[in-house]
Amino acid sequence: DAKTTQPTSMDCAEGRAANLPCNHSTISGNEYVYWYRQIHSQGPQYIIHGLKNNETNEMASLIITEDRKSSTLILPHATLRDTAVYYCIVRSANNDMRFGAGTRLTVKP
Amino acid sequence: DSGVTQTPKHLITATGQRVTLRCSPRSGDLSVYWYQQSLDQGLQFLIQYYNGEERAKGNILERFSAQQFPDLHSELNLSSLELGDSALYFCASSVWGTQETQYFGPGTRLLVL
Repeated sequence: DAKTTQPTSMDCAEGRAANLPCNHSTISGNEYVYWYRQIHSQGPQYIIHGLKNNETNEMASLIITEDRKSSTLILPHATLRDTAVYYCIVRSANNDMRFGAGTRLTVKP
Repeated sequence: DSGVTQTPKHLITATGQRVTLRCSPRSGDLSVYWYQQSLDQGLQFLIQYYNGEERAKGNILERFSAQQFPDLHSELNLSSLELGDSALYFCASSVWGTQETQYFGPGTRLLVL
């Protein structure tokens, strides 16, 4: 299964865009990129997913490079409530969701 | 609120005991997944059930077992508990059980003393 690499932690100022990178250089053609976040010890919350096109929903935007080896999750106007651990997951065909360590995003006032 | 419910929220028990965690999937979802999150291991996939049948197995110990009932709720049974089983246990559900979004419940926090 493709592995992902994310920075351990990031800070973002409240009201600014938060850009969270993810490397997945061994991704296969039929594997999706999923993003979840976990606020404190709550259940992981689905954010967005994509295959090769950029995606946008009410929570975030997902930008996937043309070679699909990396992606960026964008929270356009971060708030204090966006402080969480963000997980980038490459979804294999067998449906396993393998969570890594994620990026701890801290939004500061 | 994801629509997935889990009970109980907290559970404290002793080593050697057996506990049962319960999960009700979102309305209409046929697939249920169980995950364990401990401090040193992160979120780990344990097992998946689809419409009552076991579909996939992850890092589930032999002391642990699960089932999915005709009404689609699922139970995770943990037996001969050890201190290291202390963790958050999450259930997730999805419609079919193929490559689609999983929605997670709020979790059960298990503490083994």
